[in-house]
Amino acid sequence: KQEVTQIPAALSVPEGENLVLNCSFTDSAIYNLQWFRQDPGKGLTSLLLIQSSQREQTSGRLNASLDKSSGRSTLYIAASQPGDSATYLCAVLIYNQGGKLIFGQGTELSVKP
Amino acid sequence: DTGVSQDPRHKITKRGQNVTFRCDPISEHNRLYWYRQTLGQGPEFLTYFQNEAQLEKSRLLSDRFSAERPKGSFSTLEIQRTEQGDSAMYLCASSMTGEIYQETQYFGPGTRLLVL
Repeated sequence: KQEVTQIPAALSVPEGENLVLNCSFTDSAIYNLQWFRQDPGKGLTSLLLIQSSQREQTSGRLNASLDKSSGRSTLYIAASQPGDSATYLCAVLIYNQGGKLIFGQGTELSVKP
Repeated sequence: DTGVSQDPRHKITKRGQNVTFRCDPISEHNRLYWYRQTLGQGPEFLTYFQNEAQLEKSRLLSDRFSAERPKGSFSTLEIQRTEQGDSAMYLCASSMTGEIYQETQYFGPGTRLLVL
């Protein structure tokens, strides 16, 4: 059974810091891994999608990496801003399960001005 | 607005009542998903449709839960005889069938249910 874990559960940093969020998964039979952002009480916004054959994806100040063999992904946020404060969720799309995403429990990020 | 929409956004009900939620996916998307999210946790898969066919249901979806997508467009999720444990955010997502490795799901704002 696929399990997805995110560490840390919460993180508080001063504005301007670079930071790394971690995601690990137990079964490497995945199509892709996605990072989402969720603001309090809101739905999810897709940030980055890394296909299983890819090593990383970049969008603006965000960079996500994937090491499928070790079951790990990281989301790197450069020059953090207060507007980055949100919960960040990673999810894997697993083989032969339709489009079912398996989510981690999220990392709650707070960026202090 | 061409995103996924959900209605209502909030629902408060008493234990034992029935509730129904609606999801309108992005118009050209043929796949529609329902997830449930409790406080401090990531979303958990409930069920999904491809067009009007319900292709998978999670064990989380007890007999009190039923979902439909009658014409392959909008979907409804009904919970009968609600229990306090049903209190959660119910999220809908949609996607377009294509290259599975690139498939991205687009999420709606969710319906927050509180069962008293």
